[in-house]
Amino acid sequence: GDSVTQMEGPVTLSEEAFLTINCTYTATGYPSLFWYVQYPGEGLQLLLKATKADDKGSNKGFEATYRKETTSFHLEKGSVQVSDSAVYFCALSDLIQGAQKLVFGQGTRLTINP
Amino acid sequence: EAGVAQSPRYKIIEKRQSVAFWCNPISGHATLYWYQQILGQGPKLLIQFQNNGVVDDSQLPKDRFSAERLKGVDSTLKIQPAKLEDSAVYLCASSLRGFSGNTIYFGEGSWLTVV
Repeated sequence: GDSVTQMEGPVTLSEEAFLTINCTYTATGYPSLFWYVQYPGEGLQLLLKATKADDKGSNKGFEATYRKETTSFHLEKGSVQVSDSAVYFCALSDLIQGAQKLVFGQGTRLTINP
Repeated sequence: EAGVAQSPRYKIIEKRQSVAFWCNPISGHATLYWYQQILGQGPKLLIQFQNNGVVDDSQLPKDRFSAERLKGVDSTLKIQPAKLEDSAVYLCASSLRGFSGNTIYFGEGSWLTVV
């Protein structure tokens, strides 16, 4: 079945550091790929997505490129801020018998220190 | 546009008691999901509805969990009797149908503690 593997956390960085969170996937079809973010005490929010190979999703300075050849969707940001501290989830979505299925990775907790 | 609404936000119950969570999806969204998120883990799908029909309930512990979606709009998830391991956040989500790239929108979650 479909699955997502994320970089183990927690990740701790200093403000203005470069961020990479690795994500790889296994899928039988042609999935769309997502990054969701969960701030403390809040629900999941879509951060960015890509729906086909070589697409780049971007939002709030974060970006990720759908790499079919390496089955990856790594999240990057050039200069992180304290406000980026959250849990980040990589997810894939596929159509199974016409129904959209969303499968999550285990999440990576990010802490940014001033 | 109104988001996915869930209630209650927080609930503390004793083991063997029952609890119910309610969800109202975004207007017009045919697909509704209930996920369980245990602390430190990624969300796990419990049940998925397409309109008022069940598409996938393979990971729903049917001896204690039940869910319904009345008239293809709002939905209720019930747990009876609750166990300690049911302590988690229950997330409701919704999306339009038919495309894997549709954004799936989540509510703020219902936080359950079983003591």
